Amino acid sequence: EPEVTQTPSHQVTQMGQEVILRCVPISNHLYFYWYRQILGQKVEFLVSFYNNEISEKSEIFDDQFSVERPDGSNFTLKIRSTKLEDSAMYFCAKALAGNNEQFFGPGTRLTVL
Amino acid sequence: ILNVEQSPQSLHVQEGDSTNFTCSFPSSNFYALHWYRWETAKSPEALFVMTLNGDEKKKGRISATLNTKEGYSYLYIKGSQPEDSATYLCAFNDYKLSFGAGTTVTVRA
Repeated sequence: EPEVTQTPSHQVTQMGQEVILRCVPISNHLYFYWYRQILGQKVEFLVSFYNNEISEKSEIFDDQFSVERPDGSNFTLKIRSTKLEDSAMYFCAKALAGNNEQFFGPGTRLTVL
Repeated sequence: ILNVEQSPQSLHVQEGDSTNFTCSFPSSNFYALHWYRWETAKSPEALFVMTLNGDEKKKGRISATLNTKEGYSYLYIKGSQPEDSATYLCAFNDYKLSFGAGTTVTVRA
């Protein structure tokens, strides 16, 4: 099964600080995604990324969020100024095509204090 | 925001018993429905991708059916084992996944 790794597994930060969550989607998949799950809620779509640009984003993905794939390998999610409500589990996923099976990483638990 | 619902929220099954649970989703503009198995601290594991009305898929003791016209899918576990204990998520795919809240299955030995 295709592998997705995420670092760190757990990040604790102070409100207002910037965080960068990293995903290494090993293999030649073309589509990349970020999802999050706030405790007790459904997993929510944040953004999809194809051909080095955002293909779709949710209303959650406002100006404080950004994504990039700077070196063709790592796929990062940056939160510029974290808020308490950003505390969640963040999942990276990849797919061969837009409507194909998506393979998930183990997630990064972000805690904003 | 697509409304994807799963029921029940949780269930307890005796080892060896079979069980099933439901995912309902919008029946219009259907592309695909995904099922995932998710254990705490692990990656959600892809079980099935279902695309055609009437699809039936099987993986070991786990199987799933799909009815796109009425907007539901069933997941079945036959002869439950303790290792089947997990949260099972369904997700509607319209080029992004919209998830249900999951059904948490606990198998008692």
